[in-house]
Amino acid sequence: ILNVEQSPQSLHVQEGDSTNFTCSFPSSNFYALHWYRWETAKSPEALFVMTLNGDEKKKGRISATLNTKEGYSYLYIKGSQPEDSATYLCASLGSSNTGKLIFGQGTTLQVKP
Amino acid sequence: DADVTQTPRNRITKTGKRIMLECSQTKGHDRMYWYRQDPGLGLQLIYYSFDVKDINKGEISDGYSVSRQAQAKFSLSLESAIPNQTALYFCATSPGTGAHNTQYFGPGTRLTVL
Repeated sequence: ILNVEQSPQSLHVQEGDSTNFTCSFPSSNFYALHWYRWETAKSPEALFVMTLNGDEKKKGRISATLNTKEGYSYLYIKGSQPEDSATYLCASLGSSNTGKLIFGQGTTLQVKP
Repeated sequence: DADVTQTPRNRITKTGKRIMLECSQTKGHDRMYWYRQDPGLGLQLIYYSFDVKDINKGEISDGYSVSRQAQAKFSLSLESAIPNQTALYFCATSPGTGAHNTQYFGPGTRLTVL
């Protein structure tokens, strides 16, 4: 069973600050890394899927990078806004045959106006 | 309208009761999943189904059972609920199992077992 770890567990920033957090995963048996955004009382929604070492993805002010050799991914938020407040989940897809995602515990971001 | 729906959204029950959580999807996806989420932990996979005839256990299937009644419906049952099954339960679907097949989640069911 893969262990996916996220840090920090929670983060409080001021509006306008840029921030980043980490997802660590076993680099062996790697197939893909997913990032999801989960707002309170809503469903988790997919942000990015990355598969290749060195991948970078961007959606608006949010971007992510992937290092499969050392087993980590960073999520960056530039100029945080209150609407960015959410829990950010990463998940590793360790086998292509099952679609089983192994989730980290999430990083909860609170952006203060 | 939501593509993945769950009923009920909230449920309070007593120890020993049988509970069924239902999930329906209009996305036409073959793959469906049940997860539970506990505070401080990631989503943990309970069961998953590749199609109507294919049901598989996840990491924490003990105490749970599932039924895939149709492509669009996947139900989770707690035969005899216990307090440590108090959690937020999510259903999810995906079109396949390739790397880029993201999962689409329902709104969750908050279950409290007293």
